[in-house]
Amino acid sequence: ETGVTQSPTHLIKTRGQQVTLRCSSQSGHNTVSWYQQALGQGPQFIFQYYREEENGRGNFPPRFSGLQFPNYSSELNVNALELDDSALYLCASSRKPGGSTNEKLFFGSGTQLSVL
Amino acid sequence: DAKTTQPTSMDCAEGRAANLPCNHSTISGNEYVYWYRQIHSQGPQYIIHGLKNNETNEMASLIITEDRKSSTLILPHATLRDTAVYYCIVTYLSGSARQLTFGSGTQLTVLP
Repeated sequence: ETGVTQSPTHLIKTRGQQVTLRCSSQSGHNTVSWYQQALGQGPQFIFQYYREEENGRGNFPPRFSGLQFPNYSSELNVNALELDDSALYLCASSRKPGGSTNEKLFFGSGTQLSVL
Repeated sequence: DAKTTQPTSMDCAEGRAANLPCNHSTISGNEYVYWYRQIHSQGPQYIIHGLKNNETNEMASLIITEDRKSSTLILPHATLRDTAVYYCIVTYLSGSARQLTFGSGTQLTVLP
């Protein structure tokens, strides 16, 4: 069983640039969630994708956007990067979206983004 | 959304049981309590979850009080590899997505 994989592992960008992060979900999982983790804090929910559509969003501005592909992999795009966007970006997959409180998430190791 | 309160840090001797407390006094009747942990430089790892009954799996036990306002995660025989940040989470629904609302967690350090 293949786990959640993310790429790249590390990335350095400058303020104002755009970035795309990628995630391959665990085998058999059709739902992908993205989280942002600032240094010293817990992960914060960005959004979730199911059936190639966003079906839930946290308190993040529209310059954070995403895609999900037919193979359930996903991308997180961030436009107009700000210094505060520096964080670990985590992708998590699950078999179902929000319907079951029994569903658990499987996380990747994340992409460390530094904005200079 | 229900919030959780956890101690900032705890130490535990290797081989002893680690008991990590969590308060969630505003939890609603259909919300589950989840525990995840995060070892440095890795993504969070699922440990266990429960609604109102005590639960046990190969990693840990979860004890939920009868009023569901608090819970305790028990690692029966802590090892050095259990050193991590442990998050107690009550599920939160955003649109049709069930998100996890992480707090700051408890830094557990297992001492040799």
